[in-house]
Amino acid sequence: QVTLKESVPALVKPTQTLTLTCSFSGFSLNTRGMRVSWIRQPPGKALEWLARIDWDDDKFYSTSLKTRLTISKDTSKNQVVLTMTNMGPVDTATYYCARSLLSFNWFDSWGQGTLVTVSS
Amino acid sequence: EIVLTQSPATLSLSPGERATLSCRASQSIHSYLAWYQQKPGQAPRLLIYDASSRATGIPARFSGSGSGTDFTLTISSLEPEDFAVYYCQQRSDWPTFGPGTKVDIK
Repeated sequence: QVTLKESVPALVKPTQTLTLTCSFSGFSLNTRGMRVSWIRQPPGKALEWLARIDWDDDKFYSTSLKTRLTISKDTSKNQVVLTMTNMGPVDTATYYCARSLLSFNWFDSWGQGTLVTVSS
Repeated sequence: EIVLTQSPATLSLSPGERATLSCRASQSIHSYLAWYQQKPGQAPRLLIYDASSRATGIPARFSGSGSGTDFTLTISSLEPEDFAVYYCQQRSDWPTFGPGTKVDIK
C-alpha cells in the first residue's frame, strides 16, 4: 500500500525559508520510474504543481517559482524534501506531496496535505 | 504554460441526476488529461486518466471523453458521495490544473 505524509511547520514568517518533508512508504525512489511531486492549493483556490524529483535524481521546477525552490531526496529514509525561500502571504496554502510514475505519469497517490500559513 | 478552464464553476444537481463537466485547454493536449475528485479536507483522488480511462476502483458511473482541447467528465447518476469539487489536469506540458467545478446538492 502506497502512503505519503507531509511534515511542514504550520506557521512561517514572511521572508523565512520553508522546509517541507514528504515521508512515504510502499515504494522506493531507488526504483526506476518512481517520481514524487509537490503540489499546493491556496485556500479556496486551484491546485498548483511546484516541483518533481525522479528516481534518477532528475529535478524539475515550476517556471514561476524555480528561483525559490530546491527539491531533494533521501532514499535511505524514504523522504523527499522541498525548500521554498522568501515566503510571503501568497504562499499560504495546503501543501501536498504526490507520487507518479514514468509508466503512469499521473498523480495516483497523494499525501493528506498540510496547511502552511505565512504570517508575522 | 497550458491553461485549463472549467465550466460551469458550480453545478447544482439532485442525487440520481446526470452531471456533465467541461474542461478546455488553451492548446491541444492530445489525450493527456486527467480528472480528480476532491472532498473538503481531503486530498484529490484520481478518477480518470488519458481522458477516458477510469482509475483503479472508480465506479463505472464516472466516464471521460474528449481529445485535443475539449474534454468532458460525465457522472451518469449522482450518488450522495459524488458531491465534491472536480479538477482537470493536463500533462502535455508541465502539469497544470483547472480551477475546478463544484458539484453541490440542489
